[in-house]
Amino acid sequence: QVQLQESGPGLVKPSQTLSLTCTVSGGSISSGSYYWSWIRQPAGKGLEWIGRIYTSGSTNYNPSLKSRVTISVDTSKNQFSLKLSSVTAADTAVYYCARLVVVNEAQQPTRWFDPWGQGTLVTVSS
Amino acid sequence: QSALTQPRSVSGSPGQSVTISCTGTSSDVGGYNYVSWYQQHPGKAPKLMIYDVSKRPSGVPDRFSGSKSGNTASLTISGLQAEDEADYYCCSYAGSYVFGTGTKVTVL
Repeated sequence: QVQLQESGPGLVKPSQTLSLTCTVSGGSISSGSYYWSWIRQPAGKGLEWIGRIYTSGSTNYNPSLKSRVTISVDTSKNQFSLKLSSVTAADTAVYYCARLVVVNEAQQPTRWFDPWGQGTLVTVSS
Repeated sequence: QSALTQPRSVSGSPGQSVTISCTGTSSDVGGYNYVSWYQQHPGKAPKLMIYDVSKRPSGVPDRFSGSKSGNTASLTISGLQAEDEADYYCCSYAGSYVFGTGTKVTVL
Protein backbone atom coordinates (compact mmCIF):
# COMPACT_ATOMS: atom_id res chain seq x y z
CA GLN A 1 0.00 0.00 0.00
CA VAL A 2 1.49 3.28 -1.13
CA GLN A 3 2.06 5.91 1.55
CA LEU A 4 3.25 9.49 1.25
CA GLN A 5 5.06 11.58 3.86
CA GLU A 6 5.87 15.28 3.69
CA SER A 7 8.98 16.74 5.29
CA GLY A 8 10.65 20.12 5.50
CA PRO A 9 10.99 23.27 7.63
CA GLY A 10 7.90 24.34 9.52
CA LEU A 11 8.92 27.99 9.58
CA VAL A 12 10.03 30.12 6.64
CA LYS A 13 10.84 33.82 6.64
CA PRO A 14 8.99 36.21 4.33
CA SER A 15 10.57 36.63 0.88
CA GLN A 16 12.46 33.35 1.25
CA THR A 17 11.83 30.03 -0.52
CA LEU A 18 9.65 27.30 0.96
CA SER A 19 11.05 23.81 0.29
CA LEU A 20 9.25 20.56 0.99
CA THR A 21 9.87 16.93 0.07
CA CYS A 22 7.40 14.09 -0.26
CA THR A 23 8.72 10.56 0.23
CA VAL A 24 6.76 7.74 -1.38
CA SER A 25 6.88 4.32 0.30
CA GLY A 26 5.24 1.00 -0.44
CA GLY A 27 5.71 1.34 -4.19
CA SER A 28 7.87 2.90 -6.87
CA ILE A 29 7.22 6.50 -7.80
CA SER A 30 7.93 5.46 -11.39
CA SER A 31 5.33 2.70 -11.65
CA GLY A 32 1.89 3.04 -13.12
CA SER A 33 0.06 5.94 -14.70
CA TYR A 34 0.46 8.33 -11.83
CA TYR A 35 1.31 11.95 -11.44
CA TRP A 36 2.48 13.41 -8.14
CA SER A 37 0.89 16.54 -6.75
CA TRP A 38 1.11 19.23 -4.10
CA ILE A 39 -2.02 20.71 -2.54
CA ARG A 40 -2.26 23.24 0.29
CA GLN A 41 -4.85 24.37 2.81
CA PRO A 42 -4.66 27.59 4.86
CA ALA A 43 -6.06 27.24 8.36
CA GLY A 44 -9.84 27.15 8.30
CA LYS A 45 -9.96 27.43 4.53
CA GLY A 46 -10.33 25.22 1.49
CA LEU A 47 -7.94 23.19 -0.60
CA GLU A 48 -5.81 24.70 -3.36
CA TRP A 49 -4.05 22.63 -6.00
CA ILE A 50 -0.45 23.79 -6.47
CA GLY A 51 0.84 21.57 -9.25
CA ARG A 52 1.83 18.11 -10.42
CA ILE A 53 4.76 16.25 -11.94
CA TYR A 54 5.25 13.04 -13.87
CA THR A 55 8.34 10.95 -13.39
CA SER A 56 9.59 12.12 -16.79
CA GLY A 57 9.84 15.56 -15.24
CA SER A 58 6.81 16.98 -17.05
CA THR A 59 5.04 19.56 -14.86
CA ASN A 60 1.80 21.51 -14.72
CA TYR A 61 1.17 24.33 -12.25
CA ASN A 62 -1.75 26.32 -10.90
CA PRO A 63 -1.74 29.48 -13.03
CA SER A 64 -2.09 31.65 -9.92
CA LEU A 65 1.16 30.25 -8.47
CA LYS A 66 3.05 29.35 -11.62
CA SER A 67 5.58 32.17 -11.45
CA ARG A 68 6.76 31.08 -7.98
CA VAL A 69 6.46 27.27 -8.06
CA THR A 70 8.90 24.55 -9.02
CA ILE A 71 8.13 20.86 -8.59
CA SER A 72 10.87 18.30 -9.19
CA VAL A 73 11.25 14.54 -8.87
CA ASP A 74 14.10 12.28 -7.75
CA THR A 75 13.21 8.74 -8.81
CA SER A 76 16.37 7.30 -7.22
CA LYS A 77 15.10 8.44 -3.82
CA ASN A 78 11.41 7.83 -4.56
CA GLN A 79 10.75 11.47 -3.74
CA PHE A 80 9.31 14.60 -5.28
CA SER A 81 9.74 18.14 -4.05
CA LEU A 82 8.12 21.55 -3.95
CA LYS A 83 9.80 24.94 -4.00
CA LEU A 84 7.74 28.10 -3.58
CA SER A 85 9.67 31.32 -3.84
CA SER A 86 9.09 34.82 -2.47
CA VAL A 87 6.72 33.61 0.20
CA THR A 88 4.44 35.87 2.23
CA ALA A 89 2.11 35.27 5.17
CA ALA A 90 -0.57 34.27 2.63
CA ASP A 91 1.47 31.14 1.90
CA THR A 92 1.05 29.91 5.47
CA ALA A 93 -0.84 26.62 5.17
CA VAL A 94 -0.82 22.89 5.65
CA TYR A 95 0.88 21.43 2.59
CA TYR A 96 -0.16 18.00 1.37
CA CYS A 97 1.42 15.75 -1.21
CA ALA A 98 -0.85 13.33 -3.05
CA ARG A 99 -0.81 10.81 -5.86
CA LEU A 100 -2.84 11.85 -8.90
CA VAL A 101 -4.33 8.87 -10.75
CA VAL A 102 -4.96 9.56 -14.44
CA VAL A 103 -5.57 6.06 -15.83
CA ASN A 104 -7.69 3.47 -14.05
CA GLU A 105 -7.21 -0.29 -13.91
CA ALA A 106 -9.26 -0.65 -17.10
CA GLN A 107 -6.81 1.70 -18.82
CA GLN A 108 -9.46 4.38 -19.09
CA PRO A 109 -8.72 8.06 -18.35
CA THR A 110 -9.64 9.28 -14.91
CA ARG A 111 -8.61 11.91 -12.42
CA TRP A 112 -8.46 11.59 -8.66
CA PHE A 113 -6.10 12.21 -5.74
CA ASP A 114 -5.32 9.21 -3.56
CA PRO A 115 -3.55 8.59 -1.28
CA TRP A 116 -2.58 11.80 0.50
CA GLY A 117 0.22 12.46 2.92
CA GLN A 118 -0.67 13.50 6.46
CA GLY A 119 0.20 17.12 5.70
CA THR A 120 2.80 19.47 7.13
CA LEU A 121 2.19 22.96 8.50
CA VAL A 122 4.41 25.68 7.06
CA THR A 123 4.26 29.07 8.72
CA VAL A 124 5.66 32.15 7.02
CA SER A 125 6.83 34.58 9.66
CA SER A 126 9.87 36.61 10.60
CA GLN B 1 -9.70 29.95 -12.07
CA SER B 2 -12.30 30.33 -9.31
CA ALA B 3 -13.09 27.77 -6.64
CA LEU B 4 -16.18 25.67 -7.20
CA THR B 5 -19.16 26.82 -5.12
CA GLN B 6 -20.44 24.63 -2.30
CA PRO B 7 -22.88 25.44 0.50
CA ARG B 8 -21.06 26.40 3.67
CA SER B 9 -22.92 23.83 5.74
CA VAL B 10 -25.61 21.15 5.66
CA SER B 11 -27.06 19.14 8.49
CA GLY B 12 -29.27 16.15 9.12
CA SER B 13 -30.33 13.71 11.77
CA PRO B 14 -28.95 10.18 11.91
CA GLY B 15 -30.55 8.05 9.24
CA GLN B 16 -31.55 10.99 7.08
CA SER B 17 -30.07 11.96 3.72
CA VAL B 18 -28.16 15.10 2.89
CA THR B 19 -27.00 16.39 -0.49
CA ILE B 20 -24.07 18.71 -1.11
CA SER B 21 -23.94 20.67 -4.35
CA CYS B 22 -20.82 21.73 -6.21
CA THR B 23 -21.36 24.38 -8.86
CA GLY B 24 -18.79 25.28 -11.48
CA THR B 25 -18.79 26.21 -15.14
CA SER B 26 -18.66 24.56 -18.53
CA SER B 27 -14.86 24.82 -18.28
CA ASP B 28 -14.63 22.52 -15.29
CA VAL B 29 -17.57 20.55 -13.82
CA GLY B 30 -19.67 20.83 -16.96
CA GLY B 31 -16.84 20.06 -19.32
CA TYR B 32 -15.43 16.86 -17.87
CA ASN B 33 -16.64 13.77 -16.03
CA TYR B 34 -13.72 14.08 -13.65
CA VAL B 35 -15.41 15.27 -10.48
CA SER B 36 -14.15 13.76 -7.23
CA TRP B 37 -15.22 14.23 -3.63
CA TYR B 38 -13.09 14.21 -0.47
CA GLN B 39 -14.00 13.85 3.20
CA GLN B 40 -11.85 15.62 5.76
CA HIS B 41 -12.10 15.17 9.50
CA PRO B 42 -10.52 17.85 11.73
CA GLY B 43 -6.74 17.69 11.68
CA LYS B 44 -6.70 14.88 9.14
CA ALA B 45 -5.81 14.58 5.48
CA PRO B 46 -8.62 14.47 2.92
CA LYS B 47 -9.94 11.04 1.97
CA LEU B 48 -11.26 10.12 -1.47
CA MET B 49 -14.97 9.26 -1.37
CA ILE B 50 -16.16 9.53 -5.00
CA TYR B 51 -14.31 9.81 -8.32
CA ASP B 52 -15.35 10.25 -11.94
CA VAL B 53 -18.61 11.85 -10.78
CA SER B 54 -20.24 8.73 -9.38
CA LYS B 55 -17.72 5.93 -8.81
CA ARG B 56 -16.95 4.72 -5.31
CA PRO B 57 -13.49 3.46 -4.29
CA SER B 58 -13.41 0.14 -2.52
CA GLY B 59 -13.99 0.55 1.19
CA VAL B 60 -16.26 3.60 0.87
CA PRO B 61 -19.78 2.81 2.15
CA ASP B 62 -22.49 2.65 -0.51
CA ARG B 63 -24.48 5.31 1.35
CA PHE B 64 -22.18 7.79 -0.43
CA SER B 65 -23.21 8.52 -4.01
CA GLY B 66 -22.39 11.13 -6.63
CA SER B 67 -24.08 12.63 -9.65
CA LYS B 68 -23.83 15.53 -12.07
CA SER B 69 -26.20 17.67 -14.07
CA GLY B 70 -24.81 20.38 -16.28
CA ASN B 71 -22.34 22.51 -14.36
CA THR B 72 -23.39 21.18 -10.93
CA ALA B 73 -22.18 18.00 -9.26
CA SER B 74 -23.74 16.56 -6.12
CA LEU B 75 -22.72 14.27 -3.29
CA THR B 76 -25.50 12.51 -1.40
CA ILE B 77 -25.03 10.80 1.93
CA SER B 78 -27.91 8.46 2.67
CA GLY B 79 -28.53 6.97 6.10
CA LEU B 80 -26.42 9.64 7.78
CA GLN B 81 -24.17 8.38 10.57
CA ALA B 82 -22.29 10.20 13.31
CA GLU B 83 -18.93 9.43 11.70
CA ASP B 84 -20.03 11.23 8.53
CA GLU B 85 -19.70 14.56 10.34
CA ALA B 86 -16.79 16.20 8.53
CA ASP B 87 -15.88 18.71 5.85
CA TYR B 88 -16.44 17.68 2.25
CA TYR B 89 -14.71 19.09 -0.83
CA CYS B 90 -15.45 18.55 -4.49
CA CYS B 91 -12.72 18.74 -7.10
CA SER B 92 -12.89 19.02 -10.87
CA TYR B 93 -10.39 18.67 -13.65
CA ALA B 94 -10.22 21.85 -15.71
CA GLY B 95 -6.95 21.51 -17.53
CA SER B 96 -5.55 22.00 -14.07
CA TYR B 97 -7.49 21.14 -10.91
CA VAL B 98 -9.95 23.24 -8.95
CA PHE B 99 -11.46 22.43 -5.56
CA GLY B 100 -14.74 23.48 -4.06
CA THR B 101 -15.14 25.92 -1.19
CA GLY B 102 -15.98 23.10 1.19
CA THR B 103 -19.11 22.05 3.10
CA LYS B 104 -19.36 21.19 6.76
CA VAL B 105 -21.75 18.30 7.36
CA THR B 106 -23.25 18.26 10.84
CA VAL B 107 -25.07 15.24 12.24
CA LEU B 108 -27.72 16.55 14.62
